[in-house]
Amino acid sequence: KQEVTQIPAALSVPEGENLVLNCSFTDSAIYNLQWFRQDPGKGLTSLLLIQSSQREQTSGRLNASLDKSSGRSTLYIAASQPGDSATYLCAVISGGGADGLTFGKGTHLIIQP
Amino acid sequence: EAGVVQSPRYKIIEKKQPVAFWCNPISGHNTLYWYRQNLGQGPELLIRYENEEAVDDSQLPKDRFSAERLKGVDSTLKIQPAELGDSAVYLCASSPGPIREQYFGPGTRLTVT
Repeated sequence: KQEVTQIPAALSVPEGENLVLNCSFTDSAIYNLQWFRQDPGKGLTSLLLIQSSQREQTSGRLNASLDKSSGRSTLYIAASQPGDSATYLCAVISGGGADGLTFGKGTHLIIQP
Repeated sequence: EAGVVQSPRYKIIEKKQPVAFWCNPISGHNTLYWYRQNLGQGPELLIRYENEEAVDDSQLPKDRFSAERLKGVDSTLKIQPAELGDSAVYLCASSPGPIREQYFGPGTRLTVT
């Protein structure tokens, strides 16, 4: 059964810093990996989708990498801003999509002004 | 383009009462998911639909939960009777296909007292 782990569980940094969030998964036979953002009391906003054949994806100040063979992904946030404060969730699709997305527990990020 | 729509946003009921959640996916998305998210956890899949067919409902507690997606568009998730442990956020997501990017609605926060 696929398991996804996110480290750290929480992170607090001053505004302007570059930071890295980590995600690992136990079964490397994935179709894709998605990073989401969740604000308190809200649904999930898709940030980046990386197909299994890709190594990285970029969107603005966000860059996500994927090393499928080692079961790892990182989300890099450049020049962090207070508006980036949220919980970031990593999720993978495996098993033909039958199990939907398997999520980690998330990293709760606080950017201090 | 409208996103995934869910209603109600919040629901408070007493245990043993029935409750229903409604979801309207993004137009043209054949795949629809229901997830449940407990506090501090990532979402977990309850059921996946391909058009009007439930293709994976192994995680759905069938003694009290039911779902339908008539005509392959909007969907309803029902709990009857509700238990205290059902308190959670119920999220609906849709995608063009089973291994494509998923888009989430705002969720329904259920509190069972």
